[in-house]
Amino acid sequence: NAGVTQTPKFRILKIGQSMTLQCTQDMNHNYMYWYRQDPGMGLKLIYYSVGAGITDKGEVPNGYNVSRSTTEDFPLRLELAAPSQTSVYFCASRRGLAGVSEQFFGPGTRLTVL
Amino acid sequence: DQQVKQNSPSLSVQEGRISILNCDYTNSMFDYFLWYKKYPAEGPTFLISISSIKDKNEDGRFTVFLNKSAKHLSLHIVPSQPGDSAVYFCAASDHSGGSNYKLTFGKGTLLTVNP
Repeated sequence: NAGVTQTPKFRILKIGQSMTLQCTQDMNHNYMYWYRQDPGMGLKLIYYSVGAGITDKGEVPNGYNVSRSTTEDFPLRLELAAPSQTSVYFCASRRGLAGVSEQFFGPGTRLTVL
Repeated sequence: DQQVKQNSPSLSVQEGRISILNCDYTNSMFDYFLWYKKYPAEGPTFLISISSIKDKNEDGRFTVFLNKSAKHLSLHIVPSQPGDSAVYFCAASDHSGGSNYKLTFGKGTLLTVNP
């Protein structure tokens, strides 16, 4: 049981390049979330999904896209990388139980855009 | 507009003493609160939570207190250990319909426990 896994761990992009951050969970969780954490700041929600085929915007969605074709995978796409997207990205998942908010986080992807 | 505030960026305590981390919130719709612990280069790890129908929840050395009228919660760690040194995030959730259990995080407090 690996929990939530993210790849890659580190990446350096040039301005204007594109990339996909991968996230996979093996806990059969319905809910999945993408956050970014900037230095000295809390985690901010980018996008989330309540199940396969269903996604919605969070607090800071601009510059990102997501898809959810399976329960296990929730990739985050950056189309035209900008320096403002330099951050640490965390993926999380949650069981579908009512009344339980606990989310399980992956180890993160550290992205630098130069 | 920060809905969850952790006003102390850092806290330093001696091993064996009590650590008290504080968190304030402004959104009255929040009804579930969580604390996460984060080590460098790792993802946040769930520590303890509390529902708004309670004012205290305890799990071993960790106790969370909730004061709804003051919109304030605190995490107590007794006794503090060097391995507790980490960043602690307070998070809040609104369990009403349509919220999808999204979490709103504070900026975190760096706890350092000195041997």
